[in-house]
Amino acid sequence: GAGVSQSPSNKVTEKGKDVELRCDPISGHTALYWYRQSLGQGLEFLIYFQGNSAPDKSGLPSDRFSAERTGGSVSTLTIQRTQQEDSAVYLCASSPWGDSNQPQHFGDGTRLSIL
Amino acid sequence: TQLLEQSPQFLSIQEGENLTVYCNSSSVFSSLQWYRQEPGEGPVLLVTVVTGGEVKKLKRLTFQFGDARKDSSLHITAAQPGDTGLYLCAGAKAGGTSYGKLTFGQGTILTVHP
Repeated sequence: GAGVSQSPSNKVTEKGKDVELRCDPISGHTALYWYRQSLGQGLEFLIYFQGNSAPDKSGLPSDRFSAERTGGSVSTLTIQRTQQEDSAVYLCASSPWGDSNQPQHFGDGTRLSIL
Repeated sequence: TQLLEQSPQFLSIQEGENLTVYCNSSSVFSSLQWYRQEPGEGPVLLVTVVTGGEVKKLKRLTFQFGDARKDSSLHITAAQPGDTGLYLCAGAKAGGTSYGKLTFGQGTILTVHP
């Protein structure tokens, strides 16, 4: 597709389970970002990838959160031992390269609900 | 920490009214972006302002970047129900090697009633 694709679109899981969220950026985009959004709120930065490297992981809330990117394309955000406070919409964005003046193209997000 | 304070948080108006959303910070940003988000979708970029004092117009929307690049505003003239949505401002890190990390405001939920 032409845009950023995220899967699954919705995920409901029990507290304590691990979850994996996937992001397919726009082809050719080297910069990839993960954000978290609580209901009706602004976005909280989690992690930034340039190619397969993550120069900025400063937004990851705890060591239960990790992310990787392979082949300079697909990225996976993993949350281990999920807690109820992890419930949110997780958004992925990409841009051609990391530059402050470039727009970020967002996927529609994964809505994660922890029971 | 670079914080962006966005106000108001909620705005409910009648069709045809004008409105302004504000985005303020004590930090300098290299650019300021405005996004609009609809339920179940990701944010979509409306505009990027880069130069202090810059004004950009997009149909009935007017965006302004403060002279010191610490604040911005979005003004909508003659609002329409189709303008309903969540409006987000986002500042890009200033100084050093900027890689495009965005700091978002809390958002403004706009509802325009017919």
